[in-house]
Amino acid sequence: GENVEQHPSTLSVQEGDSAVIKCTYSDSASNYFPWYKQELGKGPQLIIDIRSNVGEKKDQRIAVTLNKTAKHFSLHITETQPEDSAVYFCAASSNTGNQFYFGTGTSLTVIP
Amino acid sequence: DSGVTQTPKHLITATGQRVTLRCSPRSGDLSVYWYQQSLDQGLQFLIQYYNGEERAKGNILERFSAQQFPDLHSELNLSSLELGDSALYFCASSPRTSSTGELFFGEGSRLTVL
Repeated sequence: GENVEQHPSTLSVQEGDSAVIKCTYSDSASNYFPWYKQELGKGPQLIIDIRSNVGEKKDQRIAVTLNKTAKHFSLHITETQPEDSAVYFCAASSNTGNQFYFGTGTSLTVIP
Repeated sequence: DSGVTQTPKHLITATGQRVTLRCSPRSGDLSVYWYQQSLDQGLQFLIQYYNGEERAKGNILERFSAQQFPDLHSELNLSSLELGDSALYFCASSPRTSSTGELFFGEGSRLTVL
């Protein structure tokens, strides 16, 4: 089955700086890579996703890059704000499978 | 608000007991996923249902079972509870049968086993 690894497990940045979270996956059949943000006391919420036919996707301050050859994808948050503080999960799945494989999460703290 | 409703939000029980967690998916969503999130752990996939049928099974213990009813709500039954079952249990729904596209998560049911 698929194995998704996520690093780092914790990340602290100063407000205004950039944050990068990296994930690797093992199954070359995976073709969908979402990122979820989980705020304290809430369920995870999708913030951005990328499919394997695209190398990069951007949505305002958030971007995701995918390297299919190396089997890794990354989340980039620029101009971080205190409200970006949360736990972020990457995931991988395929349209032939029936489950999402989640990374172990990154706890991001943005220091004002 | 994701549109996914989970009850109860908090539950405290004793070892050996049985509990039922309930999930109402978003209107129109046919897929329901159950995840377990333990302290400092990621999201562990338990089981998926689509339109009443089991579609995928993850690391779900034999003491746990689930079902999806004709009105599409789902229940996760946890029996012979152990201390290690204490966790946050999430339900998520999706309109799709396959695992691509957004999952909509509920706010979770926090289970504490004493």
